Amino acid sequence: NAGVMQNPRHLVRRRGQEARLRCSPMKGHSHVYWYRQLPEEGLKFMVYLQKENIIDESGMPKERFSAEFPKEGPSILRIQQVVRGDSAAYFCASSPTSGGLDEQFFGPGTRLTVL
Amino acid sequence: AQKITQTQPGMFVQEKEAVTLDCTYDTSDPSYGLFWYKQPSSGEMIFLIYQGSYDQQNATEGRYSLNFQKARKSANLVISASQLGDSAMYFCAMREGGNQFYFGTGTSLTVIP
Repeated sequence: NAGVMQNPRHLVRRRGQEARLRCSPMKGHSHVYWYRQLPEEGLKFMVYLQKENIIDESGMPKERFSAEFPKEGPSILRIQQVVRGDSAAYFCASSPTSGGLDEQFFGPGTRLTVL
Repeated sequence: AQKITQTQPGMFVQEKEAVTLDCTYDTSDPSYGLFWYKQPSSGEMIFLIYQGSYDQQNATEGRYSLNFQKARKSANLVISASQLGDSAMYFCAMREGGNQFYFGTGTSLTVIP
């Protein structure tokens, strides 16, 4: 059973460009979470999605960031007009159920560098 | 207030010795889960151990055990018989039954040969 997959693993963008990060949850998981890890810090929650729905985006910056989890295909985290401060590791996690106390399974992360 | 506090930015331990990584948490929810993850230099997050708020016994997974003291709101990770491969960042996390995990700032563990 393949784990959570994220691609690309490393992404370099120039200021002002768009970054698209992809996440395929584990098979059978319909709940996806995105986290951001700034250098030397822990992970910070950004957004929680189920298929075709954003459930909780309380950790998402109000501008330039968006997320989707379409009926078919991976979840996408999109960052428009990137700035240097967006440089971070972005982790996706999935779980089989909503809420509860289940473990979230993490992907390997995408390391975004903004030049 | 911080949901998860890890007060040890860096720790050193001699190979084959035991080490305790501290974690305290803050919640008013009676139902919650506590997790420890390991992040090696390669960057992935590796699940180590889980403790539920209603669990009567401390969780153990191989060389990892969780010293759960509910009244003190602490969930320290104990690694026994440290190995060189244990050198990594360690993150304590909590889930309250909502949607997200709350992570601490991590402890960097270095195992000395």
